Amino acid sequence: QKEVEQNSGPLSVPEGAIASLNCTYSDRVSQSFFWYRQYSGKSPELIMSIYSNGDKEDGRFTAQLNKASQYVSLLIRDSQPSDSATYLCAVNNNILTGGGNKLTFGTGTQLKVEL
Amino acid sequence: GAVVSQHPSWVICKSGTSVKIECRSLDFQATTMFWYRQFPKQSLMLMATSNEGSKATYEQGVEKDKFLINHASLTLSTLTVTSAHPEDSSFYICSARPNSPLHFGNGTRLTVT
Repeated sequence: QKEVEQNSGPLSVPEGAIASLNCTYSDRVSQSFFWYRQYSGKSPELIMSIYSNGDKEDGRFTAQLNKASQYVSLLIRDSQPSDSATYLCAVNNNILTGGGNKLTFGTGTQLKVEL
Repeated sequence: GAVVSQHPSWVICKSGTSVKIECRSLDFQATTMFWYRQFPKQSLMLMATSNEGSKATYEQGVEKDKFLINHASLTLSTLTVTSAHPEDSSFYICSARPNSPLHFGNGTRLTVT
């Protein structure tokens, strides 16, 4: 089982719709969760971080975390063509499990927002 | 916000030569920097953790003698790919954190011919 799993997509949504991106993780004691956006040929750019159960909203983005079910999601409202990119989920391994203070990334979900 | 600068953005080298990639934290001091590698359509894989003033910590399967890391100051870490081969062609990305979360450099596209 991969440590961080994402559906590779592509996920296609029409402009103006809500895009829902999901991520599951295997390490139950993970503490910090991040969503990065990566355009083709570019390095990742931080979109959202979330540390506690529930929802966190920032503009058109909402991150949702459910530690009991070990999943974290990202909702993008009013999707725009410029949102078309690969979205990477990243989990900070807990030092107690020997993972150290490093990020483990999923393979990313490709999002396409169509006109 | 925190800025991490990486140089060069891309490099083409011949097989057997060495290539040095620089990673700088521009507006904060970074005692720790991270080097990632990303092959096409794959995720970022941590190669090593660079520690200022001490040896880098390499991930399992990463050859420390091939990927030399030097973190001589609080704002600069370098990755040298020695005796590069075509299979080393990849996107190399450094990152640092003034606090949580991680900020990435712009990456270096390495092509070994």
